[in-house]
Amino acid sequence: AQSVTQLGSHVSVSEGALVLLRCNYSSSVPPYLFWYVQYPNQGLQLLLKYTTGATLVKGINGFEAEFKKSETSFHLTKPSAHMSDAAEYFCAVTLTGGGNKLTFGTGTQLKVEL
Amino acid sequence: ETGVTQSPTHLIKTRGQQVTLRCSSQSGHNTVSWYQQALGQGPQFIFQYYREEENGRGNFPPRFSGLQFPNYSSELNVNALELDDSALYLCASSLALTTEAFFGQGTRLTVV
Repeated sequence: AQSVTQLGSHVSVSEGALVLLRCNYSSSVPPYLFWYVQYPNQGLQLLLKYTTGATLVKGINGFEAEFKKSETSFHLTKPSAHMSDAAEYFCAVTLTGGGNKLTFGTGTQLKVEL
Repeated sequence: ETGVTQSPTHLIKTRGQQVTLRCSSQSGHNTVSWYQQALGQGPQFIFQYYREEENGRGNFPPRFSGLQFPNYSSELNVNALELDDSALYLCASSLALTTEAFFGQGTRLTVV
């Protein structure tokens, strides 16, 4: 079975500062990893995903994440936070490829302050 | 806008009642998954349908059941509602089993 742990249920950054959201996974086989964003009263939007190949993955809205097998991590970063980045972020893992049968973390609420 | 639509958007039911939630997949998508997202939690996988057959189920009791129709739209049925069933129910469709899933905006179910 696979699982995901997101460290920090709430993260607050200043506008223009670095965003770092942490995700560690547990999996018995090579996983597929995802980051999703959820705005209030909306569904989930895919930010980026790691399947195979390059371990540094670039996504939408300037976000990127690096798959580190030795650390079982897939942390999400953005060099400069914008007010519009305020939302809830979920890390997810699946063994089946694509984006199906996902196991999600508990989420990190990102607050961006002026 | 993902092309996945769910209805209704909000619903209030009484404990013990039954509820049906609906999902219209993106055109051509033959795979649909349902998730339950309780307040303050991440989504939890309920089950998946592929070409009208159940293709995997999470840790949910049998009173959670589903259907997928020939046009690949889907229903989630919950019998004997409990207060803990109050949650946002998300539907996600994909072109195939191993391709990206696109999520709808969800149905907010409140059980009183």
